Amino acid sequence: ETGVTQTPRHLVMGMTNKKSLKCEQHLGHNAMYWYKQSAKKPLELMFVYSLEERVENNSVPSRFSPECPNSSHLFLHLHTLQPEDSALYLCASSLGTGDREQYFGPGTRLTVT
Amino acid sequence: DQQVKQNSPSLSVQEGRISILNCDYTNSMFDYFLWYKKYPAEGPTFLISISSIKDKNEDGRFTVFLNKSAKHLSLHIVPSQPGDSAVYFCAASDRPGSARQLTFGSGTQLTVLP
Repeated sequence: ETGVTQTPRHLVMGMTNKKSLKCEQHLGHNAMYWYKQSAKKPLELMFVYSLEERVENNSVPSRFSPECPNSSHLFLHLHTLQPEDSALYLCASSLGTGDREQYFGPGTRLTVT
Repeated sequence: DQQVKQNSPSLSVQEGRISILNCDYTNSMFDYFLWYKKYPAEGPTFLISISSIKDKNEDGRFTVFLNKSAKHLSLHIVPSQPGDSAVYFCAASDRPGSARQLTFGSGTQLTVLP
């Protein structure tokens, strides 16, 4: 138990659906991250939030829309996804964006049909 | 182009022996390196780290070695235990913009045989 929870753990959605992934951290951290892990590939950083402000966006398509309403919660809104977006989506948090050690949630396994 | 590479996708070791996991990197701006362990259905958990000003860091059974000139680091687990069976990710840290970022390798599946 790392103090970072993610829901749902599994999600199957069609290409025309809209869904959201949720992440919550109970560690008092100020920075939160979304990563994507595709099969046999390294974790790829998608977004970084610091104190609810997006500070990094690593060339992610607009069909992925993050939201950080407060420093404990992070959402990833999904719409009109493609089958190649099927992956494990991991949320992480750290004390600040200058901190190297990140704490990960268990991930959401997303399948786009 | 991958900046952090773990060239061995899998490694099997007998219980009680040493496990050595390797990682190579290409970006000379990386100044901090971390190892994460991941069990199935769980997120990665931090294991051990090393700053670029050091060449060795030890924590119990786990030791990380850094060779800056070769841009190579390794994780040694001695003695290996069946509970160590997991995927191990090497990660490197730099700060290209306003936030530190971690760049991960693709992982090595370690299996410790009883």
